[in-house]
Formats: sequence, structure tokens, C-alpha cells
Amino acid sequence: QSALTQPPSASGSPGQSVTISCTGTSSDVGGNNFVSWYQQYPGKAPKLMIFEVSKRPSGVPDRFSGSKSGNTASLTVSGLQAEDEADYYCSSYAGSNSVFGTGTKVTVL
Amino acid sequence: QVTLRESGPALVKPTQTLTLTCTFSGFSLSTSRMCVSWIRQTPGKALEWLARIDWDDAKYYSTSLKTRLTISKDTSKNQVVLTLTNMDPVDTATYYCARNYVSGSYYNVGYFQYWGQGTLVTVSS
Repeated sequence: QSALTQPPSASGSPGQSVTISCTGTSSDVGGNNFVSWYQQYPGKAPKLMIFEVSKRPSGVPDRFSGSKSGNTASLTVSGLQAEDEADYYCSSYAGSNSVFGTGTKVTVL
Repeated sequence: QVTLRESGPALVKPTQTLTLTCTFSGFSLSTSRMCVSWIRQTPGKALEWLARIDWDDAKYYSTSLKTRLTISKDTSKNQVVLTLTNMDPVDTATYYCARNYVSGSYYNVGYFQYWGQGTLVTVSS
């Protein structure tokens, strides 16, 4: 399986929204709703932020939302805060395998 | 409280076999719905899923690496072991173990809810 495609970077000012795309194929992203998103700070392990396309684990702010259309999933961070500056990775589970996205660095200007 | 911790050599030589151990607490891998995966992250920050072992001892491997990988568990010790044979410099990465997402009656083996801190493995002669 090939890595899912994400833009290398995205940015926004505090209070604004930023949306990150994650493009796969009909065999992964487009084939089911098993899409998740992870936030990672430098030197730290990834943290699950979104699962099943749009659901948030307990404790994740509702500023984080997910969606999907066809073979592309998206993560939107609304009301950007300085603490949202991090790397974000999407992931898709299909065929007993998981594949990750290439990662997007979000910068809060 | 769920915790996971990876351990193993920091440096291996090319062609050697890497053995990593994930020691966890706060759950049992003999409990239905529980799974542990290994995931690595290269210095360039790409994440790659490697393998998974389930509560019923079912095992799953990355298609691209399955000939080199073996995953096993020791339920009595709360450990999961990963071996990767024929190491190459391109296998240099931080290796993480992670447990799947479980919340009430809902679970999914493809979401990683708890992660270890990772262990950096460098392959060099």
C-alpha cells in the first residue's frame, strides 16, 4: 500500500480555520469509513484526534472535525490556537493493514 | 491507566536481526478486542504500520515487510515482541508500539489510542 497524500504544510492565524486533505484510493480512504487523524508534537508519540472519519475520542476539543468525500478525507481545525501547531497524519485501515499519510505541518502564524 | 514502553537495541548492524519488546500495563492482551501494533517513523517523519497481534493471537503484517517480520506475545509478562530480519540502513527509525482504540462496546483494530514513547533504532556498520 502506498502512503496517503497530504500537503506538506498548512498555516493560519490564531482564531482562523485550517483544513488538511488526505488523498488515497478506492482501496483505502474511499473504501470504508476507517479513517483516523493523529497529532504529533516534536519528540512525542502521535495522539489520536479523530476516528471513523469524524468522531472525536474523549478529551479532544470540538475544534477538531473530520469529513470525507470519495477518496479524500479532511481534517479541519477551527479557532486555531498556538497549541495546535504540530504535525498531523491521517490513516486508513483496510484489508487488515493500516496506511498513514505523508504528514502535514500546521503552523500557527 | 494504560502505558506502553518499547525496549531494544539502539544500534544494529546491517544484515542483523532486530528484536524489540513492548511492555505494557493497564490492560491484558488476553482480553477480547485488545490488539497491539508496531509502527515506525523514519527520520524524515513518515509513519509506517508494521504488524499487529490480536487478543486471540491472530497476527497481521505489512504487505511490503511481511517476509522479514515476526510478532508474538507473552500474555503472562504483558509483552509483545517484534523481530525484523536483515536490517538495512533504511530501517533506521523510531519504533513505536501502540494499542488499539476501545471505548465501551466499541473497538477498532485500525485506530491507535495509546502509544509508547518510541525507541530509536539506528542501522549502521
